[in-house]
Formats: sequence, C-alpha cells, structure tokens
Amino acid sequence: QKEVEQDPGPLSVPEGAIVSLNCTYSNSAFQYFMWYRQYSRKGPELLMYTYSSGNKEDGRFTAQVDKSSKYISLFIRDSQPSDSATYLCAMEDYKLSFGAGTTVTVRA
Amino acid sequence: GAVVSQHPSRVICKSGTSVKIECRSLDFQATTMFWYRQFPKQSLMLMATSNEGSKATYEQGVEKDKFLINHASLTLSTLTVTSAHPEDSSFYICSARLAGGSETQYFGPGTRLLVL
Repeated sequence: QKEVEQDPGPLSVPEGAIVSLNCTYSNSAFQYFMWYRQYSRKGPELLMYTYSSGNKEDGRFTAQVDKSSKYISLFIRDSQPSDSATYLCAMEDYKLSFGAGTTVTVRA
Repeated sequence: GAVVSQHPSRVICKSGTSVKIECRSLDFQATTMFWYRQFPKQSLMLMATSNEGSKATYEQGVEKDKFLINHASLTLSTLTVTSAHPEDSSFYICSARLAGGSETQYFGPGTRLLVL
C-alpha cells in the first residue's frame, strides 16, 4: 500500500465549476500537508501549505485537512481553463511523499 | 518569492556519458536541497537529500555512485548522472528549503534528460 493515495483522474469540468481533489494517507507521522500544481514539463508550484486539521483558504483555493480520517482535500472555485494542470498532494514527516497527481482539464 | 533554477532545462546525451545538472536558489539560501525523479505520468520520487557541506543522503534503491550529488554552497547543488544509460532518461527536479525557514520546499523547473 502506498503511503499517499491520489486518484490520477483525469478529471474534466466546465469552466466555472468547482474542482474537488483529495488524497488519503496512512502515515500518522505526516505533519505538513501541501498541494502543488504542475504544468506539463514543468516543476511543481506550491499552491497551499497547512500543518493542522481544518480549512485554509487562499483566493479561489481551499485546502482541508482531516487528520483523524487521514484525508486531505483541495477545492478550486470558479475554475478557469488556466487551472488545467496536474495537481499533486504532498505530505511530510522528515521527507516529502507525493501522491500520483490528478490531471484536471477545465473546458472553456 | 523563493525562486529555484535548474540548468540545463533539457539535455540529450549518448549512452555512457556523464551529465551534470545544476540547481540554484536565486534569492535565498538553502541549507537543504532535494533531488527528485519523475517518470511520465508518475509522481515525484525522492532520490536524495543534499545538505550544504556534507554528504548527501540517498533513498533506498538509488545508486550513490551513479548519481553524484555535490552541495558546495548555500545556493548551489549539482547532480551528476555518471555513465548514463537509456533507462536513466527521466525528468529530474530539484527543490530547496529555506535556511532557518519553514518546511516548505520550492521546486525548480526540472531538467529533462534523454539518453540515446
């Protein structure tokens, strides 16, 4: 079993829809939780960073962490075609462990 | 914000040659840098952790004699793929952690290596 599970998709939504992404994990030692966005053939770009259970909002992005369920989510409101990318969840104890990434396409 | 660069962005080489990839933190000092490898449609896999002035720590299954890492300064780490073979073709990405800062890693744009 992988430490971090993420559905690779692909996920296709119309412009303006809410994109919902999630990951589950098995390692209780993970302390920090992140979401990265990666465009094709580029390095990952940090979107959200949290270290506790609860919600964190930044513009159109909301990250949720539920440590009791070992489950994290990312929501993208009012999605735009420019949001089309692969979204990677990542978690850290002493090193980063990444999910497989979910490929998202926002249709104009 | 924290910017990490990599050079070259793309390299094609013949089998058996060595390739050096540079990772630089442009506007901050990084005591720790990380090297990842990403195969097509797969996630990033940590290869090694590089600390300035000390030997790198390699993940299980990564050959330290094949992937040489040098972290000579607080802004530069290099990865040398020695005697590269076609199976080493991949996307290599470095990241850097702010010295004395949070746990956040900032990633470079990646280097695509193709070994013929």
